[in-house]
Amino acid sequence: QSALTQPASVSGSPGQSITISCTGTSSDVGGYDYVSWYQQHPGKAPKLLIYDVSNRPSGLSDRFSGSKSGNTASLTISGLQAEDEADYYCSSYTSTSTRVFGTGTKVTVL
Amino acid sequence: QVLLVESGGGVVQPGRSLRLSCVASGFTFSHYAMHWVRQAPGKGLEWMAVISYDGSKKYYADSVKGRFTISRDNSENTLYLQMDSLRTEDTAVYYCAREYYGREYFDYWGQGSLVTVSS
Repeated sequence: QSALTQPASVSGSPGQSITISCTGTSSDVGGYDYVSWYQQHPGKAPKLLIYDVSNRPSGLSDRFSGSKSGNTASLTISGLQAEDEADYYCSSYTSTSTRVFGTGTKVTVL
Repeated sequence: QVLLVESGGGVVQPGRSLRLSCVASGFTFSHYAMHWVRQAPGKGLEWMAVISYDGSKKYYADSVKGRFTISRDNSENTLYLQMDSLRTEDTAVYYCAREYYGREYFDYWGQGSLVTVSS
């Protein structure tokens, strides 16, 4: 049950696009289309951004998008805004019916 | 509206036990699988355990298997996490989270309950 691998930090200027990767194995990310992404601001509970690899919850900005290729999933934030500065986590279902989170990525808006 | 409220956290000595509760409201609790997720201070999210909607299936992270027990009381709309043989590394904020209809993602989270294991 090793954590999925994410870059520790990603930064970008307002208006730019950034992409966060999430690398697992064929027993989790690569084996199922059950990858989700969460945003967490300091001191707050996580918030769902993307589910089933690329679906957005109703009402969520279309600036957030998700994709997957092989054992790596990705979250793209387009039109970066100051309010996007937060920690981001991926999560996946696994072959043992457990779940696993990514190591987390701190997004900084320059 | 959907609300999940954790309670039961606090300071406990290593080796002792603690039970967390998560009271659900605003939805039919007995229809949803529920999870516990924790976050150590300054660290990332760590998935702990899941229980099926009817309590018949339970799965745990290796780090807590044999020490922690997840359970639920659908008549009381309450999720529990019994934590035994606590270690200093179990210090964390513990969140309960709802899984959306077996779809393997967490659509609602509680505000978290802090557990501090220290002598």
